Amino acid sequence: ILNVEQSPQSLHVQEGDSTNFTCSFPSSNFYALHWYRWETAKSPEALFVMTLNGDEKKKGRISATLNTKEGYSYLYIKGSQPEDSATYLCAFRMDSSYKLIFGSGTRLLVRP
Amino acid sequence: NAGVTQTPKFQVLKTGQSMTLQCAQDMNHEYMSWYRQDPGMGLRLIHYSVGAGITDQGEVPNGYNVSRSTTEDFPLRLLSAAPSQTSVYFCASSYSTSEQYFGPGTRLTVT
Repeated sequence: ILNVEQSPQSLHVQEGDSTNFTCSFPSSNFYALHWYRWETAKSPEALFVMTLNGDEKKKGRISATLNTKEGYSYLYIKGSQPEDSATYLCAFRMDSSYKLIFGSGTRLLVRP
Repeated sequence: NAGVTQTPKFQVLKTGQSMTLQCAQDMNHEYMSWYRQDPGMGLRLIHYSVGAGITDQGEVPNGYNVSRSTTEDFPLRLLSAAPSQTSVYFCASSYSTSEQYFGPGTRLTVT
């Protein structure tokens, strides 16, 4: 059974703080790692799809890194804003399988 | 483009009833999938399809059927609803194995 774990489960930070979360996944047969942002009462939206060891992606204040050899990815948010409050999901895809295995997410609350 | 659409938004069923959750996409994506979302468990894959006429099981397929007669539509059928199927259901589509686009979700309650 493939296990994708995210930590922490939830995080409360002050506006302006920088923060990061972790996604751990199996290090064998890696194909891709996805990050999604999920706001309350909306649908998940893709942030990044990462495929290469050492990959770094950036979108505005949000960035992600990938280590496929040790099986982890970090998501960083620089200078958190209240609108960053959401659940951040990672999902692992092995080999060329279509199946995406999701972690249970990190719920971020940014206080003004 | 409407993207991924799902109907209905909300549904209440009695135990033993059957129903179909509809999903459609207008992006010509070959890959479509159904997930359920339960508190503390993230998204779990129910069934998926890699093209018209091709479907396969995900992590939690029991109690659900799917078919894919066209590229656009991917309905999910509950054969005999059970309280354990109370959940929020999301349909998603993608081009190949790239990022997925999610529908707005269907909140299902089985009493």
